[in-house]
This record gives sequence, structure tokens and C-alpha cells, in this order.
Amino acid sequence: AQKVTQAQTEISVVEKEDVTLDCVYETRDTTYYLFWYKQPPSGELVFLIRRNSFDEQNEISGRYSWNFQKSTSSFNFTITASQVVDSAVYFCALGGSRGDTGRRALTFGSGTRLQVQP
Amino acid sequence: DTGVSQNPRHKITKRGQNVTFRCDPISEHNRLYWYRQTLGQGPEFLTYFQNEAQLEKSRLLSDRFSAERPKGSFSTLEIQRTEQGDSAMYLCASSPTRTGGSYEQYFGPGTRLTVT
Repeated sequence: AQKVTQAQTEISVVEKEDVTLDCVYETRDTTYYLFWYKQPPSGELVFLIRRNSFDEQNEISGRYSWNFQKSTSSFNFTITASQVVDSAVYFCALGGSRGDTGRRALTFGSGTRLQVQP
Repeated sequence: DTGVSQNPRHKITKRGQNVTFRCDPISEHNRLYWYRQTLGQGPEFLTYFQNEAQLEKSRLLSDRFSAERPKGSFSTLEIQRTEQGDSAMYLCASSPTRTGGSYEQYFGPGTRLTVT
């Protein structure tokens, strides 16, 4: 069975602070995919990043960076110099393995609500 | 590209009534997914189509729920004899078809169902 744990229910920071959102996952698959989504107050889930289990390089996109550590089954997300517009619920998700019949559905964590105060 | 669309956006119904939701995926995406999201939780998978074939169903999808994608384009999700526990946001997502693995899914705005 697959499981994603986001232990931080809610985080509040002041604008310009850096913040890290934690994600820990469990899977028996040797090949799997990890995702982060943002759900702003408007409600629509926005895709941020996809990472496969063979690629442990960290990734940076603007103020966003992701740290994938297979040894600890973690895929953490850092926002540098946070802004009020970053306020949202952030979800980490786990996708299935390769193959035509491999599970395609995503297993989501329960989300971390990030509140950035001006 | 207009993204994934869902209709209606909101639905209020009385317990015991049937409801049907529609999802139009991104046009070139062959894979379509339905999820349910309740307050304070992440989306939970319900079912998945590749073209018109329904390839996977969650245990959450009781026999009161049925989903179709008759021509491999839009999809409908019907809930029969609604119960108050069915109140949730129903999300549709689509993803491109490429070989291997789980690809990013693009979500629609959802249909919020309230069962009174």
C-alpha cells in the first residue's frame, strides 16, 4: 500500500521568511513518482513538480526548491523568501510504478496549510 | 488550451436523490481521473479511465457510484440515492498518455456536492 504523510498541518510565517514543507512517503514499488500540488483559496489544484524515484537531484525553480532523499523516503519542499501569494494548502502526492497496467492514481497526503503574513 | 472543466460547480440535493457530474478533460489527454476531497483532507482516488476503458476503481466507489467515459472524451460521474456522507468536492483530472509511470495530472475546479 502507498502512503503519504505530511505531519505539519499548518505553518504560519512572516513574509520573506524561508519555509520548508515536509513530506514522507511509503511504497513497495521500486519505481515511483512524487508530486507537489498547490491548492490556493480559490480551490483549484495546481501542479508544481513531478520527480521520479531514479532522480535524486534536487531541483530549484525560482523561489521553490525540492529535496528528494530516497534513504529517508522524504520529498521536502522549500519556499525561499515567502510571499503572501504563497498562502495555500500544499499537497505531496505519490504515483505508481511503470508499466501499462501500473497504478496511475495519485495518493495524496493530508496537506499543509501555509499562511504567509505580510 | 482551456484546461479541465467541470459542471456543475455546485450542486445541492436532498438525500436519496441522484446526481450526475460532468468532466471535460484537456483535449489531447487520454487519461481521466475522478477524486473526492473532503474538508481538511487531500484528494482521494475514485476511478481512472484510459480512453473509454475504466481501468481502476477504488474501494471508495460503492455500487451507488458509477462513472462513464463513452467516447473517450468527456466523463460523467453519477451518484445514486445520495447520502449526507457523499457531501464533498468531486475533482476531475486528466493527464497525457506517454509510456511508463505516473504523469502529472491537471485538475479541474471541482464540483461541490452538498446533500441535505
